Amino acid sequence: QVQLQESGPGLVKPSQTLSLTCAVSGASISSPNYYWIWVRQHPGRGLDWVGFIYYSGSAYYSPSLKSRAAISVDTSRNQFSLKLSYVTVADTAVYYCVTGEMGNYGGHWGPGTLVTVSS
Amino acid sequence: DIQMTQSPSSLSASVGDRVTISCRASQSISSWLAWYQQKPGKAPKVLIYKASDLESGVSSRFSGSGSGTEFTLTISSLQPDDFATYYCLQYNNRWTFGQGTKVEVK
Repeated sequence: QVQLQESGPGLVKPSQTLSLTCAVSGASISSPNYYWIWVRQHPGRGLDWVGFIYYSGSAYYSPSLKSRAAISVDTSRNQFSLKLSYVTVADTAVYYCVTGEMGNYGGHWGPGTLVTVSS
Repeated sequence: DIQMTQSPSSLSASVGDRVTISCRASQSISSWLAWYQQKPGKAPKVLIYKASDLESGVSSRFSGSGSGTEFTLTISSLQPDDFATYYCLQYNNRWTFGQGTKVEVK
């Protein structure tokens, strides 16, 4: 059973970098069978895809983030991470880490973590 | 980018009603569409994948149909546990979610 758990600061100041980690259990972060995804949800709003990374290291991001996002994997810790630079209050959201079979829908979600951007 | 237009944005229904939610893609996505259910404070849960395949453990009152650009989620007989928000997701080319449909008590 694949399980995911997000962690990271709940409060980030404007213009700083938001950094979140997703710990993975029940699957290897190095497996070619999965890809690793971040989704966010602004308070009271719908779901927004942030980006994903394949086991090869190729990553793809939402154009709306204008190159501020970076997703990476840490094979030694079996986890993957999201960094979002130059945050503004508009980046306040619940961030979910997700995984699914390669190129497929996301069947496994973490519980989500709220990140608030505020001075 | 592929845009997903989901409708309606909300609906009111009663237990036992048949409910349908639609999603339209801005270009063909074949059958690469999933449906999710989300309850307040919880992560989304997948109901349907590949447009019409039922996720393991999900009630058969949920069904999906469509291909290309037009898709539908149907709840055959609404149950109390089904009052939630539903999202479609295209995964043909990157990911795009629909705007969501909130199913409320009539």
